[in-house]
Amino acid sequence: NAGVTQTPKFRVLKTGQSMTLLCAQDMNHEYMYWYRQDPGMGLRLIHYSVGEGTTAKGEVPDGYNVSRLKKQNFLLGLESAAPSQTSVYFCASRGGEGETQYFGPGTRLLVL
Amino acid sequence: GDSVTQMEGPVTLSEEAFLTINCTYTATGYPSLFWYVQYPGEGLQLLLKATKADDKGSNKGFEATYRKETTSFHLEKGSVQVSDSAVYFCALSDMIYNQGGKLIFGQGTELSVKP
Repeated sequence: NAGVTQTPKFRVLKTGQSMTLLCAQDMNHEYMYWYRQDPGMGLRLIHYSVGEGTTAKGEVPDGYNVSRLKKQNFLLGLESAAPSQTSVYFCASRGGEGETQYFGPGTRLLVL
Repeated sequence: GDSVTQMEGPVTLSEEAFLTINCTYTATGYPSLFWYVQYPGEGLQLLLKATKADDKGSNKGFEATYRKETTSFHLEKGSVQVSDSAVYFCALSDMIYNQGGKLIFGQGTELSVKP
C-alpha cells in the first residue's frame, strides 16, 4: 500500500516547454486534488476531481489542465510553462465525506 | 470566502518549552478543522483534526480545541522536542458549502526547536 505517489520528484523546464505531473493513489479514493505550495502562501488549490471522469477548477487554475481518466490517477499538465509556475506541487486524495486528505511527497518544479 | 490565518513564523523554542501556534478562521458554514505538519523535504501529514465545536483533537502530545465562539483552533504542546521542528499548517474544510471538500490552508508556521 504505497498511498499517494507523485512522478517526477524534481524537474527543470525552460519557459514555454510543456510537461505532465502524475499522481497515483492505491486507496480507491473518489476525490483527488492538486495544490501548489509557495513560500509564505501556504498551499493553494489548482484543480480537483470528485470522481473518475470529472474535474473542476480550484483557486489558481490558470495555466494548468488536468485529467482523471482512471480513478487512481490524476494528471496535471502545463502546456506552456512560465517562471511563475516555479513551485512545489502536491497531490492529495480523500475517500469520502469527512475523511482525511492524504498527500503525496511533492514535485519540485523549476521553470527558467 | 472561507479563509485561515496563522501566526507568522519562524518560531524558535528551546527543547521542553511550551508551544502555542495561533490559528483563526472565517467560514460560511460549519467546517472541519485540521492541523497538518510538514517535515523537511516531505509532504504534508495530518497531525490532528476536529469536526465540530468544542471537539479537541490530539496526537503525539499536540492538541487543539475547536472554538466556534472565537473562530479559533490553536495548536499547543506542553514540551516540544527537537524532532518537532517542522512547518505546521492550519486548514479547514467545509463539506456542505465547499464543493469537493477541498482544504483551505493558512500560510504555515515554521517551528525550530533547539537542544
